[in-house]
Amino acid sequence: DAGVIQSPRHEVTEMGQEVTLRCKPISGHDYLFWYRQTMMRGLELLIYFNNNVPIDDSGMPEDRFSAKMPNASFSTLKIQPSEPRDSAVYFCASLGRRTNYGYTFGSGTRLTVV
Amino acid sequence: AQKITQTQPGMFVQEKEAVTLDCTYDTSDPSYGLFWYKQPSSGEMIFLIYQGSYDQQNATEGRYSLNFQKARKSANLVISASQLGDSAMYFCAMREGLDSNYQLIWGAGTKLIIKP
Repeated sequence: DAGVIQSPRHEVTEMGQEVTLRCKPISGHDYLFWYRQTMMRGLELLIYFNNNVPIDDSGMPEDRFSAKMPNASFSTLKIQPSEPRDSAVYFCASLGRRTNYGYTFGSGTRLTVV
Repeated sequence: AQKITQTQPGMFVQEKEAVTLDCTYDTSDPSYGLFWYKQPSSGEMIFLIYQGSYDQQNATEGRYSLNFQKARKSANLVISASQLGDSAMYFCAMREGLDSNYQLIWGAGTKLIIKP
């Protein structure tokens, strides 16, 4: 079991550039979640998918953010254009029965927008 | 109102002592689950322990145990014989409506530092 895999681990980009974060959930998991973590706001749920379908995107901050899950093994979170206030750690997580209905998290992507 | 409250922003504990991290929750749903996660300085989120609202016994996982007091709506994490590697942020989280809801509500976290 390879766990939830996120890439890249670190991303530094200039304001205005497009950023794409990637996630591969654990095989067989039906739910995928994107979180953002900052010191000021803690962990914020951005969006989650069930069977590749977006269920709740009310946490997506604005139209600059979009997320897709084209198949059960891959999801992307895109920010276009990026702004300095988007700097945060972005986590992907998938729902795993082995943790009694908790999440298994990826290692996160630390995004810095300068 | 806060659904998950962690009242200890930070704690210092001597190595080998037991640690209790507080968590209180608020829900009217009879079916819920409570989780604890550890986030070391490296940043990953590590699942520690789970307690279901209908579980009759307190959950235990190695050195971790959950002191579940349903009437008081508290789910404190107890770490026995603390180690330097236990230094980390600890988050309490709740999932309400286990059959239909898949979102977790998170506390603000407690930063635990173990002193040698």
